[in-house]
Amino acid sequence: DAKTTQPPSMDCAEGRAANLPCNHSTISGNEYVYWYRQIHSQGPQYIIHGLKNNETNEMASLIITEDRKSSTLILPHATLRDTAVYYCIVRVGETSGSRLTFGEGTQLTVNP
Amino acid sequence: DAGVTQSPTHLIKTRGQQVTLRCSPKSGHDTVSWYQQALGQGPQFIFQYYEEEERQRGNFPDRFSGHQFPNYSSELNVNALLLGDSALYLCASSVLQGWETEAFFGQGTRLTVV
Repeated sequence: DAKTTQPPSMDCAEGRAANLPCNHSTISGNEYVYWYRQIHSQGPQYIIHGLKNNETNEMASLIITEDRKSSTLILPHATLRDTAVYYCIVRVGETSGSRLTFGEGTQLTVNP
Repeated sequence: DAGVTQSPTHLIKTRGQQVTLRCSPKSGHDTVSWYQQALGQGPQFIFQYYEEEERQRGNFPDRFSGHQFPNYSSELNVNALLLGDSALYLCASSVLQGWETEAFFGQGTRLTVV
């Protein structure tokens, strides 16, 4: 699985959009980008994934650059409950499966 | 739907002892994976069980072993506990039918070795 690089921490004001970047410059053509988040002392939670097109669901939007070497997870209207560690994972397969390689992620803190 | 349930939620053991952690997968799921998460780090894959057999394994010593039962529930056993085994242990379940679906995680068991 390709290695990912994320900033260790970010802050966001409540109600504003949170944009979390991820670099995956060695991504292969058959690897998908997955995002999970982990609220303190809970298990990780799937957010969204994509291959090369932008994706949106009820939780977030995923923007993947045309060269697929980086992506951005967007939480359009962040709330205090979005404070969590966000993990960007790159792996082969349209579904994530349960063998995931987690990095250290980005600690997002949403401030009132 | 109860989701993935793990027991106990917290556990304190003494160095050298053995521990067993339990996981019940989400209803309809047949595959269980275990992760170890040290403080401040991302979860690390230990192993995965499917059809009562270990299917994949991460870089963990043989002190870590597991079992899956016919009802798909699973146990994680750790022998000869070390202080460094203190961590949050997470269980994830999924469905494997040709390909594996998205994983759902439990809340974890916090193990403290003293």
